[in-house]
Amino acid sequence: DIQVSQSPSSLSASVGDRVTITCRASQSIANYVNWYQQKLGKAPRLLIYAASTLQGGVPSRFSGSGYGTDFTLTINSLQPEDFATYYCQQSYITENTPESFGQGTRVEIK
Amino acid sequence: QITLEESGPTLVKPTQTLTLTCTFSGFSLTTPGVGVGWIRQPPTKTLEWLALIYWDDDKRYSPSLRSRLTVTKDTSKNQVVLTMTHMDPADTATYFCAHRHSVRGPPYFDYWGQGMLVTVSS
Repeated sequence: DIQVSQSPSSLSASVGDRVTITCRASQSIANYVNWYQQKLGKAPRLLIYAASTLQGGVPSRFSGSGYGTDFTLTINSLQPEDFATYYCQQSYITENTPESFGQGTRVEIK
Repeated sequence: QITLEESGPTLVKPTQTLTLTCTFSGFSLTTPGVGVGWIRQPPTKTLEWLALIYWDDDKRYSPSLRSRLTVTKDTSKNQVVLTMTHMDPADTATYFCAHRHSVRGPPYFDYWGQGMLVTVSS
C-alpha cells in the first residue's frame, strides 16, 4: 500500500499567519494528491486537486504544490473560517493499492 | 447542482450486515468518467477509503475490507448501495458517499454527502 504521512498533526496560528502543511508519500505518486478541509461534524470539502489545482469557489489564499513524494498545502493570511482539520489524500489507485488519507492536521487558534 | 445523501440504519448489531444507500442528483452514473465512492471516519479519527463504483460498473475495494464489501448501482434510481458484512464495533464510524471526478488527470472527490453515523453495538 502507498502510505501518506502528514505533518504536523496540529498547529496553533493567528489570523493573518501563513500556514504550511506537508504530506509525504511512501512512493512516487506523480501529482495524485488532493487536499480537503473538514470542520467539526461536517463532510470534507475539496480544496486542491492534482496537487496544485484550486477547486472552484475556494479562496486563492489556499495553494498546493509538489510532485512525486512531497506535497505542501499553504494557507496565506489565515482567516477565522480556516480553523479546521486538513487532510491530504493520495488517489493513485491500482488493483491492489487503495487510496489513502493522511492523518490530518488540526489548525487551531493561537 | 450535485447533491448526495446517505441513508440506512444508524444502529446495527455485531455480526449483522450493514446496507447503506447513497441517493444522488445532479449527475448520472452513466456518464463516462463519473463514479461514486464510499469513505468512512471513525470518531476522532482520519478518513478511510472503502470502495468505488464507476459509470462502466468497474468496482474497486479497499484490499483490507474486500471480503466484506459489495458496491452496486441502480442508474434508474440514481442510487449506489454499499453492503458490509460481519459488522464489528470497530466499524462504528460516519459513512460518507462522494462524487468521483476522474475524466482527465488525477481523480478526486468533489462533492460529498453529509455523512451518517453508524454505531455497531449489541
